[in-house]
Amino acid sequence: QKEVEQDPGPLSVPEGAIVSLNCTYSNSAFQYFMWYRQYSRKGPELLMYTYSSGNKEDGRFTAQVDKSSKYISLFIRDSQPSDSATYLCAMSFIQGAQKLVFGQGTRLTINP
Amino acid sequence: DADVTQTPRNRITKTGKRIMLECSQTKGHDRMYWYRQDPGLGLRLIYYSFDVKDINKGEISDGYSVSRQAQAKFSLSLESAIPNQTALYFCATSDPAGRRSTGELFFGEGSRLTVL
Repeated sequence: QKEVEQDPGPLSVPEGAIVSLNCTYSNSAFQYFMWYRQYSRKGPELLMYTYSSGNKEDGRFTAQVDKSSKYISLFIRDSQPSDSATYLCAMSFIQGAQKLVFGQGTRLTINP
Repeated sequence: DADVTQTPRNRITKTGKRIMLECSQTKGHDRMYWYRQDPGLGLRLIYYSFDVKDINKGEISDGYSVSRQAQAKFSLSLESAIPNQTALYFCATSDPAGRRSTGELFFGEGSRLTVL
């Protein structure tokens, strides 16, 4: 069993839809949670960062962490074609990137 | 100009050949990383370096070696390439004193390697 599981998709939705992307994990020691966005032929870039449980909102994006269920989510409201990308969850039990564990990534397409 | 530059962007080679992927950065970060990305497997850490004299193995270091020539340069070598090393390779940097110091990696645009 992988430490971090993410549905690879692909996921295709119409413009304006609410998108929900999810990851589950097995290591209860994880406490730092991130979402990276990767456009085609580009490197990933950090989109959202959350420490421990709870919600964090940034514009149209909301990151949610439920440590009791070992489940994290990224919600995208009013999705736009420019949101089409691969989204990778990542998590760690310590500060610093050297122990970061990535999910497989979900490929998302927003159709105009 | 990109803050993290990888060369070459694409490379096709044959089994048994030695390959070097190079990375340079202008972000001024001390920490540098090499990852590989495979479909269905996500990003996996090969090696990381916290400064010029500090090199550490990651999750999948077998078959790879690295060299930190300077604070801004970090190279990945495949001494004798094999087909299952066909992948997309990313160099990344991080700043432990940064605003989002945990987990924020700054990636290059990737080097696609095909081993025939």
